[in-house]
Amino acid sequence: GAGVSQSPRYKVAKRGQDVALRCDPISGHVSLFWYQQALGQGPEFLTYFQNEAQLDKSGLPSDRFFAERPEGSVSTLKIQRTQQEDSAVYLCASSLEAGAETQYFGPGTRLLVL
Amino acid sequence: DAKTTQPTSMDCAEGRAANLPCNHSTISGNEYVYWYRQIHSQGPQYIIHGLKNNETNEMASLIITEDRKSSTLILPHATLRDTAVYYCIVRGNYGQNFVFGPGTRLSVLP
Repeated sequence: GAGVSQSPRYKVAKRGQDVALRCDPISGHVSLFWYQQALGQGPEFLTYFQNEAQLDKSGLPSDRFFAERPEGSVSTLKIQRTQQEDSAVYLCASSLEAGAETQYFGPGTRLLVL
Repeated sequence: DAKTTQPTSMDCAEGRAANLPCNHSTISGNEYVYWYRQIHSQGPQYIIHGLKNNETNEMASLIITEDRKSSTLILPHATLRDTAVYYCIVRGNYGQNFVFGPGTRLSVLP
C-alpha cells in the first residue's frame, strides 16, 4: 500500500522567505510526527498530532515554525522568514494508533536556505 | 537526550551476519526497544522492535538481554544494500516521539 509521502522533495528558499512543507500520512493513521534532521545527525522531534489536535509542539525551535493538520489527515509544516540554520531535512512520520506504535517515515523534504 | 549508546561505525563482510549492539541501561519496564535504519537520502525505515522477548522478522532478529539493559540487532546475511545508519531507540507511553541518537554507520563490504 501507499506509504507516507512528502512534498516537495527539495526546496530552495532565499533567506527571509516563507515555506510550506506537506505531509500525506498513511490513510487512517491517527498519529503524525514531524522531525528535523541536520546533516550528519539523527532526526530530532518537532511536533506531534493526534488526529487534528496538536498535542506536543515542544520541539519547534522558534515561533517561526508552525504546523497544522486541520482535518486529521494531511499536515503542513510552515516556516516563516526562513534562516540559514533552518536548512535541514524535514521528515514526517505516521502511526496507526496513539499508543506505543511503530512510526512509518516519509522520504523527507530537503530544505536549503540561501 | 537519547537513552541509548551505540558504536559510531562498524564494517561487515557481504554475506556474513552483522551484529549491531546497543546499550540502554536506564530503560524502564514499559519501554520498548526499536530499531530503524536510514539509507542515504531516504527516511528512516522500521526494522524491528521488542519489549523483553527476542524477536525475529523477515529483515532481522532482535536479541534483548534478560536484564533489558542491552540488545543486539542481527542481520543474518548482510548485503551491500544493508549499508546504512542504524538507530536503536527506546520508547514507551502513548504518543511519544522517538529520540534518535547518532546511530551506528554500518558499511557492508564486498
